[in-house]
Amino acid sequence: GAVVSQHPSRVICKSGTSVKIECRSLDFQATTMFWYRQFPKQSLMLMATSNEGSKATYEQGVEKDKFLINHASLTLSTLTVTSAHPEDSSFYICSAMTSGEIYEQYFGPGTRLTVT
Amino acid sequence: QKEVEQNSGPLSVPEGAIASLNCTYSDRGSQSFFWYRQYSGKSPELIMFIYSNGDKEDGRFTAQLNKASQYVSLLIRDSQPSDSATYLCAVPAGGTSYGKLTFGQGTILTVHP
Repeated sequence: GAVVSQHPSRVICKSGTSVKIECRSLDFQATTMFWYRQFPKQSLMLMATSNEGSKATYEQGVEKDKFLINHASLTLSTLTVTSAHPEDSSFYICSAMTSGEIYEQYFGPGTRLTVT
Repeated sequence: QKEVEQNSGPLSVPEGAIASLNCTYSDRGSQSFFWYRQYSGKSPELIMFIYSNGDKEDGRFTAQLNKASQYVSLLIRDSQPSDSATYLCAVPAGGTSYGKLTFGQGTILTVHP
């Protein structure tokens, strides 16, 4: 399958600071990437769809000014959590979508964010 | 009605048995179906997709699709303890939601030695 990387895998930051998470498709180009959040023992929650060269599309209830998404190239999307607070502590996972007859989504390994 | 429903489990099977995971979906227009495996603390991993009625086999995994009944299942033969994980069924969200997937709530599978 296709390979997606995320960096960092784990980050601890202080309340009020910003954190940037990178998502890269390593062996394919992805015009579309997705950002999810997952709290312990809960399902994946889609936050936004990231489209190369255009603005991201956010799901209802997700603050676009707090979760900034940039998809500047066909292999890189970034999620910046601005002014992070302890309630933003979660597991953030990106996925990248292949193109072709079947649109398969491959997930990155995830980033565990802890805000103190 | 939820768009994608899975038997909630948890499902516990002995090592070597067949584990059967089930998923129903509400959108009759759905064309492709995905099964992901998620180990605790890890991200989901795509293990199979299917888009034609019938069975699709890949090693110990078999996906079965019945579009008339709006039902897709995943069979795991010769289950191993390493198969213990949460299994997620996913269906494209459809409409203008290009590429978005709707996930079921997941079935927790435990394979005991």
